[in-house]
Amino acid sequence: GENVEQHPSTLSVQEGDSAVIKCTYSDSASNYFPWYKQELGKRPQLIIDIRSNVGEKKDQRIAVTLNKTAKHFSLHITETQPEDSAVYFCAASLDTGTASKLTFGTGTRLQVTL
Amino acid sequence: GAVVSQHPSWVICKSGTSVKIECRSLDFQATTMFWYRQFPKQSLMLMATSNEGSKATYEQGVEKDKFLINHASLTLSTLTVTSAHPEDSSFYICSASGSYSSYEQYFGPGTRLTVT
Repeated sequence: GENVEQHPSTLSVQEGDSAVIKCTYSDSASNYFPWYKQELGKRPQLIIDIRSNVGEKKDQRIAVTLNKTAKHFSLHITETQPEDSAVYFCAASLDTGTASKLTFGTGTRLQVTL
Repeated sequence: GAVVSQHPSWVICKSGTSVKIECRSLDFQATTMFWYRQFPKQSLMLMATSNEGSKATYEQGVEKDKFLINHASLTLSTLTVTSAHPEDSSFYICSASGSYSSYEQYFGPGTRLTVT
């Protein structure tokens, strides 16, 4: 089955700096890669996703890049703010047109300091 | 749109009793629902996948007789933790996929289970 590794496990940045979180996946058939933000005790919230036919996607301060050959994808957050502090999870799945299970990475605890 | 609710949001039960958690899609038809367990400071681990009207598919290592899943309608799935033990204490989260999008999963707010 799919295996997703995520690094780093913790990340501390100063407000205004950029943060980068990296994930690798094992199944070359995976074609859907979402990123979730989870605050303590809350549900995961989808913040951005990318399909395998696209190399990069951006939404305001958040961007995701995908390298299918190397089987890795990254989340980039620019101009970080204290409210960006949370745990971020990457995930991978194979979208077959019907619901497919997600395999999650181990999570990155991002702390944005003033 | 694409709202998923869970009930209860938290529950405390005694060891040996059973607890039922409900997951509802409020504004769309959920053909598939997923149940996850999340221990403190850990990732979400998929427990099982359920399709409406079919038996759930459990992930390796998840006891199907202990974690009973029913997906009787397109808007409701239930997870029953039978004969709960303290090690079952965890955050249980459901997600649903269906008429809104086949690949995106919409997560419920989670249920915190504490077994004493």
